[in-house]
Amino acid sequence: DAGVIQSPRHEVTEMGQEVTLRCKPISGHNSLFWYRQTMMRGLELLIYFNNNVPIDDSGMPEDRFSAKMPNASFSTLKIQPSEPRDSAVYFCASSGPGGPSTEAFFGQGTRLTVV
Amino acid sequence: KQEVTQIPAALSVPEGENLVLNCSFTDSAIYNLQWFRQDPGKGLTSLLLIQSSQREQTSGRLNASLDKSSGRSTLYIAASQPGDSATYLCAVRIQAGTALIFGKGTTLSVSS
Repeated sequence: DAGVIQSPRHEVTEMGQEVTLRCKPISGHNSLFWYRQTMMRGLELLIYFNNNVPIDDSGMPEDRFSAKMPNASFSTLKIQPSEPRDSAVYFCASSGPGGPSTEAFFGQGTRLTVV
Repeated sequence: KQEVTQIPAALSVPEGENLVLNCSFTDSAIYNLQWFRQDPGKGLTSLLLIQSSQREQTSGRLNASLDKSSGRSTLYIAASQPGDSATYLCAVRIQAGTALIFGKGTTLSVSS
């Protein structure tokens, strides 16, 4: 398996523009997580899905952020409109339906810069 | 609310030294604990996972231990090498199907 695949790897956009980040989880995994990483706050959970259903979106900063998972192999995180404070690295991770031995695997991240 | 703390935030050691990275969590009712490595500008690589019923896991020069009652885990690195230089992150999962809660990591620098 190619692992968790995120695109784009880097995104530079102007304030006010819409940004869409994409994630393809590992095949067979039923949980998908979106995290944001900054130097100040570390890794923060934004939202996660189980079986394509959003379970906890309490980490989504505000209404400008939205996430969807239309099927088991694809998820998007959208920011509209983007602001400079949204600049961060956004990670997607997935894990399978097994028991306590189930690991979470991360993608390479999308580095977002809003100017 | 579960919180994860890693101390120290940064550590510098000479090559060959054995070292211990610490992770503490506030609620002992965890499902599992996972240690990750992150190289600059890269994603997270899973190193070891310890189930709540386990006390330790080993992989090569790495050994992770778990003491749920005291809310602690340690990652032991034997005979450190410059290639071990990275940020090490500890994360806990409180229930099946929930998200990992991360500490802020320990940045390790091993000098040759």
